[in-house]
Amino acid sequence: DGGITQSPKYLFRKEGQNVTLSCEQNLNHDAMYWYRQDPGQGLRLIYYSQIVNDFQKGDIAEGYSVSREKKESFPLTVTSAQKNPTAFYLCATGRQQATEAFFGQGTRLTVV
Amino acid sequence: KQEVTQIPAALSVPEGENLVLNCSFTDSAIYNLQWFRQDPGKGLTSLLLIQSSQREQTSGRLNASLDKSSGRSTLYIAASQPGDSATYLCAVTSYIPTFGRGTSLIVHP
Repeated sequence: DGGITQSPKYLFRKEGQNVTLSCEQNLNHDAMYWYRQDPGQGLRLIYYSQIVNDFQKGDIAEGYSVSREKKESFPLTVTSAQKNPTAFYLCATGRQQATEAFFGQGTRLTVV
Repeated sequence: KQEVTQIPAALSVPEGENLVLNCSFTDSAIYNLQWFRQDPGKGLTSLLLIQSSQREQTSGRLNASLDKSSGRSTLYIAASQPGDSATYLCAVTSYIPTFGRGTSLIVHP
């Protein structure tokens, strides 16, 4: 089954904890992106990667970290430094830079 | 920096109406423009992709146009149905996809 898998669908975090959101794809796409969505807001870019072992900060990277050790995987870690992490997180891929984007189903993170 | 604006922010219409959703962007040097649909609590579903060299794309009751020189795109929905109720997002790609805030559409029977 081809596509983008984000897990978990729902995640609860205590204040002060780091959590990692998973994004896996079997589309053989080079580009992968992480966006954050808040109510009434558009999607804001956290990090993106155009190739394995390379990634770039987006507009709101503070308090987040990523890795791209494999083409298929682009996990996002929300660290305790992120002051307001409660949001809906979306992972996207593209065949390469500046091509059509495809999205996963998202992870809703709630800080309790 | 690319900025994307969508108007209106919300729209409520009776079933059967033809609709126009608007998207404007500040930097005309783009590779493509994509329209997405988002249902509550879900990811984004791609509706239409318009390459920078194209003027429009059609899929069923949906038609999207692109005018790069004026920095505008419109999404036309013909004969709207309650199942069209969702948020519609426009994304403009100059280097990476940049999104507007979306138009929340409700089509009531």
